[in-house]
Amino acid sequence: NFMLTQPHSVSESPGKTITISCTRSSGSIASNYVQWYQQRPGSSPTTVIYEDNQRPSGVPDRFSGSIDSSSNSASLTISGLKTEDEADYYCHSNDGSIHGVFGGGTKLTVL
Amino acid sequence: QLQLQESGPGLVKPSETLSLTCTVSGGSISSSRYYWGWVRQPPGQGLDWIGSMYYSGRTFYNPSLKSRVTISVDTSKDHFSLKLNSVTAADTAVYYCARLPAAGTGWYFDLWGRGTLVTVSS
Repeated sequence: NFMLTQPHSVSESPGKTITISCTRSSGSIASNYVQWYQQRPGSSPTTVIYEDNQRPSGVPDRFSGSIDSSSNSASLTISGLKTEDEADYYCHSNDGSIHGVFGGGTKLTVL
Repeated sequence: QLQLQESGPGLVKPSETLSLTCTVSGGSISSSRYYWGWVRQPPGQGLDWIGSMYYSGRTFYNPSLKSRVTISVDTSKDHFSLKLNSVTAADTAVYYCARLPAAGTGWYFDLWGRGTLVTVSS
C-alpha cells in the first residue's frame, strides 16, 4: 500500500496564506481523490476539502485544494488566515476502493 | 439532522476484546446513499482507518488489522458495531464512527461521531 506524507507543523501570521502538502509514496496522486480534514483540539475531524478540490457547504472559500502530478502531491491552501484556523489538518486518500489511508497530520499554528 | 454516537467500555484488559457500537440517529443506516466506518486516533497521534461497511453487511478492513477486526450492522436498531480482539496497549485510542457518501469515488468521511476513548490496561 502507499503512504501520505505531510509536514509535521507549519505556522504563519493572521491574514497570510499557507499551503500544506501531502505527498503520495507510490502510485499516482491523481489516480484517487484526496480529502482534507480539520481537527481542532478536543474535537472530531471535519471535512474541509473532498474529492481533491470540493468544499462542503459551510466551509469558507478561503480553503482550497489542488493536485500536482509532477510532485505527486496534493495541497491544501488556506488564505486570509484566521486564529480559528489553528488546528491539525489531515490528508486522506484511498487505493481505488474504500480502503483509506491518512497522512500523519500537520499542526497549523496561526500566530 | 443525522448524528452518530459511539458507546462502549472505556477500559479493556489486554488480550480481551474491545467492543463498540455506533448509533445512527435522525436517519437510517439502511440508506443506499452511504457507507459507514470506524477510524481511531491514539493519544497525540494521527488518524487510522479501521474498516468500513455497507448496510447489506459487506465489509472492508484495514489489512493491518484485518485478522483482529469484525464490523457488523443491526439495521433494526440503526447501529453498527466494532469488535477488535486480542487488544494490547497499542490499541489505546479515541475511536470514531463516521459516514461515507456512496456517490462518486472519493470514499471520504462526511460526518463523524464525537469519539470515545478506549484504554487498554490491566
